[in-house]
Amino acid sequence: AQKVTQAQTEISVVEKEDVTLDCVYETRDTTYYLFWYKQPPSGELVFLIRRNSFDEQNEISGRYSWNFQKSTSSFNFTITASQVVDSAVYFCALSEAGNFGNEKLTFGTGTRLTIIP
Amino acid sequence: NAGVTQTPKFRVLKTGQSMTLLCAQDMNHEYMYWYRQDPGMGLRLIHYSVGEGTTAKGEVPDGYNVSRLKKQNFLLGLESAAPSQTSVYFCASSYGGYSYNEQFFGPGTRLTVL
Repeated sequence: AQKVTQAQTEISVVEKEDVTLDCVYETRDTTYYLFWYKQPPSGELVFLIRRNSFDEQNEISGRYSWNFQKSTSSFNFTITASQVVDSAVYFCALSEAGNFGNEKLTFGTGTRLTIIP
Repeated sequence: NAGVTQTPKFRVLKTGQSMTLLCAQDMNHEYMYWYRQDPGMGLRLIHYSVGEGTTAKGEVPDGYNVSRLKKQNFLLGLESAAPSQTSVYFCASSYGGYSYNEQFFGPGTRLTVL
């Protein structure tokens, strides 16, 4: 069974500091996809990134970067030079490719990030 | 292009009452999903649909029913509401039956059952 653990329930940092959100996953499949979603105070979930299990290259998008390590089953998310607009709940999620016709996302419990001005 | 919309945004029910939540998407997506979000538990899948006329159970289906009569609409019904169903409900849709497709979410419905 697939499982996603986000051990950090809440994090607070001062604006302009860097912050890393941890995500650890469990799966028996060799092919799977990992996602990060952002839920700002408005409530709607916004897709940030997708990574497949065969691509361990780190990805950078502006101030955001993602570190995928299969050896530790982790897919961590770093925000550099944080801003108040980054305040949100962030969810990591996992989808196993072997379930065609039964695709489901398993979400972690989320990390609430607060950026203090 | 409205994306995924949900009706209503807020609702208060008394125990035992029934209601239907409506989800609509205009992206011609095949897959649609209903989740509930509770504090400290992330999002949990209630039911989902892989196409018009189909539905399937998710992780927490008890007490809910769904219907997908039209491709663009996915209805979630509570026949006899219970306080344990107080939650925020999210609808989502995705392009097709592949694990790599990201899901697009609606704005949510906050439901309180007294």
